Amino acid sequence: AQKVTQAQTEISVVEKEDVTLDCVYETRDTTYYLFWYKQPPSGELVFLIRRNSFDEQNEISGRYSWNFQKSTSSFNFTITASQVVDSAVYFCALSGASGYALNFGKGTSLLVTP
Amino acid sequence: NAGVTQTPKFRVLKTGQSMTLLCAQDMNHEYMYWYRQDPGMGLRLIHYSVGEGTTAKGEVPDGYNVSRLKKQNFLLGLESAAPSQTSVYFCASSYGQGATYEQYFGPGTRLTVT
Repeated sequence: AQKVTQAQTEISVVEKEDVTLDCVYETRDTTYYLFWYKQPPSGELVFLIRRNSFDEQNEISGRYSWNFQKSTSSFNFTITASQVVDSAVYFCALSGASGYALNFGKGTSLLVTP
Repeated sequence: NAGVTQTPKFRVLKTGQSMTLLCAQDMNHEYMYWYRQDPGMGLRLIHYSVGEGTTAKGEVPDGYNVSRLKKQNFLLGLESAAPSQTSVYFCASSYGQGATYEQYFGPGTRLTVT
């Protein structure tokens, strides 16, 4: 069975603070894929990143960075110098190589205030 | 290039009524999915399709039926709506199998069953 846990239900920060969203996963597959999606207040789901289980390199994209650690089964997401536009619900998701669907965590609601 | 579109955007049904949600994609994707999103639950897979004329059950298929008569369309039907089906429904599509490829999501349909 596959499972994604996002223990932080809600996070509130002040603009320009750094914030890390935690994601812990469980899987028996040796090949799997991890994802982060953003859901802004408008409701659509926006793809942020996909990482396969063989690539443990951290990734940075502008103010966003991801830390993938197989040893702790974690795929954490950090926003540096947060902005109000970062306010959204962020979902971590997992799928095996032979799976058809994404197994989503319950999401972390991030509120960035001015 | 509209991506993934869903109709309608909002709908209110009475218990026992039926309706069909339409998902259309113009990216020539083979795979299509229907998810539901409930508060605090993340997204859960209802049904999916790996190609025209094929459908399969996901995690929460009860009370729903689907059809994929054309490659670009994936229909989700509720034969006898129940209040437990009040949710936001998302359609998604991908070029290849499951999560090895990015899933593109539609804007969602908010359904209320009274």
